[in-house]
Amino acid sequence: AQSVTQPDIHITVSEGASLELRCNYSYGATPYLFWYVQSPGQGLQLLLKYFSGDTLVQGIKGFEAEFKRSQSSFNLRKPSVHWSDAAEYFCAVEATDSWGKFQFGAGTQVVVTP
Amino acid sequence: GAVVSQHPSWVICKSGTSVKIECRSLDFQATTMFWYRQFPKQSLMLMATSNEGSKATYEQGVEKDKFLINHASLTLSTLTVTSAHPEDSSFYICSATGTQTYNEQFFGPGTRLTVL
Repeated sequence: AQSVTQPDIHITVSEGASLELRCNYSYGATPYLFWYVQSPGQGLQLLLKYFSGDTLVQGIKGFEAEFKRSQSSFNLRKPSVHWSDAAEYFCAVEATDSWGKFQFGAGTQVVVTP
Repeated sequence: GAVVSQHPSWVICKSGTSVKIECRSLDFQATTMFWYRQFPKQSLMLMATSNEGSKATYEQGVEKDKFLINHASLTLSTLTVTSAHPEDSSFYICSATGTQTYNEQFFGPGTRLTVL
């Protein structure tokens, strides 16, 4: 069965420290991959996406993600976290033959401490 | 980027009543809109896909008679929760995409529904 896994439900990080959020997927073929951020009571904002090409993707707000086909992973990173990065982060995949149908991971709650 | 709005942002209703939620694309033509449901502390679950002028396609397990979706124009889709019950309380989020958005989905801010 197709699945998207975010192993970390909750991550606490100090302001200024680096952050890495994990995402693994299980699909028949490499899907399209996305990372979204959601602030409390808000909708989702796209951070970055991967369709093909360069496996290191740059996004907004200083985020980047690396696609690793051998590990079926698409991990999100930020070198130095700001307090405003505290939010819920969702990895999402879109099967190439099911346009528009996103499957979301369970999400990772990021807490930033002073 | 493209903007999607939802109205209302929150609604409280009595059990047994129906509630309509609107999803609008403000600056682009949304040929396709998606409706998601999000329970507290959980992920988004796709409920249905609607194409302008066509009947919505519902995901497995979603009651089409309970959640009525209409996509009558290129800028508006509505979700009506009929005969709402407390278990329908949730955060409902829509997203929209169109040819002008290069197939990228843009999400609305969500609607918090509480059924008493």
